[in-house]
Amino acid sequence: LAKTTQPISMDSYEGQEVNITCSHNNIATNDYITWYQQFPSQGPRFIIQGYKTKVTNEVASLFIPADRKSSTLSLPRVSLSDTAVYYCLVGDITGGGNKLTFGTGTQLKVEL
Amino acid sequence: DAMVIQNPRYQVTQFGKPVTLSCSQTLNHNVMYWYQQKSSQAPKLLFHYYDKDFNNEADTPDNFQSRRPNTSFCFLDIRSPGLGDAAMYLCATSSGTSGRVQETQYFGPGTRLLVL
Repeated sequence: LAKTTQPISMDSYEGQEVNITCSHNNIATNDYITWYQQFPSQGPRFIIQGYKTKVTNEVASLFIPADRKSSTLSLPRVSLSDTAVYYCLVGDITGGGNKLTFGTGTQLKVEL
Repeated sequence: DAMVIQNPRYQVTQFGKPVTLSCSQTLNHNVMYWYQQKSSQAPKLLFHYYDKDFNNEADTPDNFQSRRPNTSFCFLDIRSPGLGDAAMYLCATSSGTSGRVQETQYFGPGTRLLVL
């Protein structure tokens, strides 16, 4: 069964740039790609969203190649407070439907 | 502040005893979602409402039901909880018309369910 996959974990140091990739081979043609951040015992929180190419906001950038089968969240100059789990969210068309599907999640740990 | 509220934050129930989780929102959003999130896993969509239109996911067990009596409130009913239903249950809202990815979702803090 196709899944929307991410690396399980990543480690970084304060001030570095972090890139987290999501693989979504069965993404719905007309749907966007959205990324969320989740802290322990909290609900996910919206970070950024895009359809293709590059999107940038005040906290992150999102890179989407032309085939849209993957996306990369880029966090510039991370700090300790960026330690969290990061999820991509796509519409997955596996099995003929279009199901809102979170990626497997990436635990980012930022150290001094 | 406009927000999504879930009560209680922690719920303990007994195996097989029906339980209801509550969600309310002050955002006046059309769409409300319920997700199940097990430990160290991603949230999994159970169902969503667009207004009163109920949309069940194909793989959501019949044991899970939902009610939305008005715009502000939505309930998750678990008719006969099993040990495997222990999880965090997340409620979310969005202001769109379709419940699709492009609608930014606003999540509540979740209710952690423990089944004894």
